[in-house]
This record gives sequence, structure tokens and C-alpha cells, in this order.
Amino acid sequence: NAGVTQTPKFQVLKTGQSMTLQCAQDMNHEYMSWYRQDPGMGLRLIHYSVGAGITDQGEVPNGYNVSRSTTEDFPLRLLSAAPSQTSVYFCASSYSFENTEAFFGQGTRLTVV
Amino acid sequence: QQPVQSPQAVILREGEDAVINCSSSKALYSVHWYRQKHGEAPVFLMILLKGGEQKGHEKISASFNEKKQQSSLYLTASQLSYSGTYFCGTEKKKNRDDKIIFGKGTRLHILP
Repeated sequence: NAGVTQTPKFQVLKTGQSMTLQCAQDMNHEYMSWYRQDPGMGLRLIHYSVGAGITDQGEVPNGYNVSRSTTEDFPLRLLSAAPSQTSVYFCASSYSFENTEAFFGQGTRLTVV
Repeated sequence: QQPVQSPQAVILREGEDAVINCSSSKALYSVHWYRQKHGEAPVFLMILLKGGEQKGHEKISASFNEKKQQSSLYLTASQLSYSGTYFCGTEKKKNRDDKIIFGKGTRLHILP
């Protein structure tokens, strides 16, 4: 099993550009989420999904969109990139919402210039 | 509301013990602990549930005081491999739309 796969690993964007960070899992997990990690701020939840067709906002959702058309995929879209979105982004999945281990992808390091 | 972790950072010598604390201002249903090594993804350590059930790591222990909304992670006889940043994540309720909110992390550095 590949687990949770994120692409790309690194990306540089210009201010105002849009892009999609990809996240796929092959473990048939219901629950998927996106976090951003900034120095000294820990892991902050952007958006999450409890199943295909269902998404909800986390702590810092502004400037990001998500969709969940399949169980496997949970892409994160940056609508108009800003320097404040420079960060490391992690996608995570878990079998269910109920107290199970979350598996993280290897992260995407995004720089907005 | 992010849970609050303390200390922010700690340096130990190999073989010493460490305690990392996590507290919340809200009533909690569960507390999750993860460790992240530099440049890597966070890795699951354990979950502590309201009511006392604990799932996770065989060499690391933790406690969960539901009344005080606090959890502590105990690293005994620390090894070099324990170095990294430890995050606690909290859930306030047991239902389908709940989410895990993480603290800012505690950096642990083990010296030989």
C-alpha cells in the first residue's frame, strides 16, 4: 500500500496564481483532512471531510477550497496564492472519525513569491 | 481553539525522563499524540479516550485527566530516537463532524 500520497513535494508560485495540491489515499479511509504547518504555529486544520461528498471548514479555511468526489482523493485548491500561504501542507486520512490513527502524507512545501 | 502545550522545548540527556503536557479550555472527548522528526510527516503515538481507554505505543505512556481537560505524555529512559517535535491533538465530542485540533508542539532534543 502507498498510504497517503501528496503531490507535488515542492512548488513555487507567483502571487495571484492558482494551483491544486493533490492528496490520494489507498486505505479506504472515510476521514481526510488538510493541515498547514508554519514555524511556531503547529499544525492548523484548513478543511476536512468525513466522507465522499462531505466537506467542512477547519481553523484557517480562507483562501482554500476543497472537494471530495471520491473516497480516495481530497484535493486542496489555492484560488489566488498569497505570500501568507507559504507553508508546508500535510494531508492526513483515518479510517473513521471515531478515534483512530491518522496517517499523514509526506507534505508539500509551497513558496509564494 | 488550539490546545496549549508545555514546555515549548526541552533538552535532555539520553536516559533521562521527560513529561510533555497538553491542556484545553474546553471539555474533551479524546487526546491524540503524534511525533514529527525534522523534515518528515507526523507519526501517530497514541490516543486517550474519555473513560480511560488508551490505544497506542508500547514504550510511551500518557494520562488523560478529563476533569482538568489535560493530558500528559511520559517519555521514560529517553533514547536518541525520541528526538523530534511532539504534538497533541484534541477532539471535543464523539460525533461524525468533529475534528482534531493540534497544539503548537513541544520540541524535544536528546543529547548522547
